[in-house]
Formats: sequence, structure tokens, C-alpha cells
Amino acid sequence: AQKVTQAQTEISVVEKEDVTLDCVYETRDTTYYLFWYKQPPSGELVFLIRRNSFDEQNEISGRYSWNFQKSTSSFNFTITASQVVDSAVYFCALSETMGAQKLVFGQGTRLTINP
Amino acid sequence: DADVTQTPRNRITKTGKRIMLECSQTKGHDRMYWYRQDPGLGLRLIYYSFDVKDINKGEISDGYSVSRQAQAKFSLSLESAIPNQTALYFCATSDSALTGGNQPQHFGDGTRLSIL
Repeated sequence: AQKVTQAQTEISVVEKEDVTLDCVYETRDTTYYLFWYKQPPSGELVFLIRRNSFDEQNEISGRYSWNFQKSTSSFNFTITASQVVDSAVYFCALSETMGAQKLVFGQGTRLTINP
Repeated sequence: DADVTQTPRNRITKTGKRIMLECSQTKGHDRMYWYRQDPGLGLRLIYYSFDVKDINKGEISDGYSVSRQAQAKFSLSLESAIPNQTALYFCATSDSALTGGNQPQHFGDGTRLSIL
């Protein structure tokens, strides 16, 4: 069965600090996709990134970067120079490539950026 | 207007009542999903549908039913609500026609349901 673990339930940092959100996953599939979603205080879910299991290149988008390491089954998310607007709950999710392609979510990490 | 619209946004009701949550989308996606979010548990899949004639149970379908009335509409029903169904419910869509592997699911704004 597929499983996603976000061991950090809550993180609190001061603005401008860098912060890394951990995501570890389990799957028997050789091909799969990983996602990160952001849930701001307003409650909606915002898609941030998709990564397939064949692409281990790290990705950077502005202050956001993602480190995918297949060897350790991890897909970590780093925010550089954090801002108060980054405060949200962040979810990591895993999706099979066959069948329903349904998302299996981690428990989420609540990130609070203090001014 | 939102691409994925959920109604109502908030609902408070009593144990034993029948409740319907509705989801409509203008994205033209074929696949639709219902999830519930509970604190500390992330989101869990209730039901999903690949098209109007295709309905499938998810991880936690007991106590729920769904109806795919049209490609753009997917409703979730609680036939006899119970307090442990109090949660935040999300509808999501995705497009199987796009190439390039699994496409991101796009979520509605959620329905906050409280059962007393």
C-alpha cells in the first residue's frame, strides 16, 4: 500500500529564515508521481509542484525548491527567506500511475512564519 | 468564477439527517473526486468517478454515496449523518486527456460540515 509521512506536524520560524518541510513516502510502484499542495488559512488547496519518479532533478521556483531523492524515498520542500504569506498547511501527496491515479496525502505540516 | 465550485460552503446539521454536498466544474475535466480532511490525518479519498457511468469507492466510502449527474457535476450524500462525519470536504477534478502523465488534481474551496 502507498503511504506518505510528514513527520513535522508544526513548524514555527521567524520571517526570512529558511525552512525545510520533510516528506517520506512508501510505494511498491516503480513509476509514480509526487505532489505538494499548499492550504492557506482561507482553506483552499493550491497545487505547487508535480514530480514523476523518473525525474530526480531538483527544482527551484523563486523562493521554493524541491529535493527529490529516490534512494531515500523523500521529496522535501524548502522555502528560502520565508515570508508571513508562506504561513499555511503544506501537504505532500503520492499518486500511482495506473488505475484511479488517486492521491494519497501525508498528514500535513502547519508552517507558521512569525514577523 | 471558481473552476471547481462546492456548495454549500458551510453546513451545520443534526445526527440522522440526510445531507447532499454538491460539486460542479467548468474545467471540462472527466475525472472527479471527493475527499474529506480531518485534523492530523490529511485528506482521504471517499469516492471517485472517471465519467458519468463510472463510480468507484475510495478509502473511506462507508456511510457515503455519490452521484455523477453529468460530466460537470458530482454530488456526495450522507444518508444518515453521524457526528464523526464532521469534517472539511473537498471535491477535486483532473483531466485524463492531457499527456505527460498524472495531472494535478484541482480542488474546490471545500465544504465545512458539522454534525451535532
